[in-house]
Amino acid sequence: AQSVTQLGSHVSVSEGALVLLRCNYSSSVPPYLFWYVQYPNQGLQLLLKYTSAATLVKGINGFEAEFKKSETSFHLTKPSAHMSDAAEYFCAVSLSGAGSYQLTFGKGTKLSVIP
Amino acid sequence: EADIYQTPRYLVIGTGKKITLECSQTMGHDKMYWYQQDPGMELHLIHYSYGVNSTEKGDLSSESTVSRIRTEHFPLTLESARPSHTSQYLCASRHPSAEQFFGPGTRLTVL
Repeated sequence: AQSVTQLGSHVSVSEGALVLLRCNYSSSVPPYLFWYVQYPNQGLQLLLKYTSAATLVKGINGFEAEFKKSETSFHLTKPSAHMSDAAEYFCAVSLSGAGSYQLTFGKGTKLSVIP
Repeated sequence: EADIYQTPRYLVIGTGKKITLECSQTMGHDKMYWYQQDPGMELHLIHYSYGVNSTEKGDLSSESTVSRIRTEHFPLTLESARPSHTSQYLCASRHPSAEQFFGPGTRLTVL
């Protein structure tokens, strides 16, 4: 079984400041980890994924995340926030074994960017 | 261009009506999913399919039903809509490398 915890349902940052969205997971086997972004009235868009290759993963729109097995974390960062980054962000986990085809999502973190 | 489509995007309907939410993907993915999401809330899996003629219920109990007669098509049906069905419904398909691709969603309002 697997689960995801996103710390902070709402995060506010100033434009140009560092963005840090936290995600911790639990998984009985090595996980696959994902970050998705959702803009209002839209579906989810994949930002980046970790599938057991490099632990530092770079995604779209300047985001990156680091897989830390010892901390069971997969935090999302961006050096400088832009107004267009305001959205809902979801962390998700999937088991890496054969037959594991479902994603378990966190409850989401709403990012606000202050001009 | 490979993509995943949902229609309608918005639907307002009266109680007791039968509705079908359409979902189609052009990527040839075997595995498809339906999620229910209230505004600003988490996603709940309500149905999934791992191929033609295969459908299963998800973690969240739902009065809706699904069918998978063709690989590219995964419609969701509500036989008798109720106000409690008001929500956003998201369809997704799974790439072989594990990530899921999502459609734009259908926002359903039942009066």
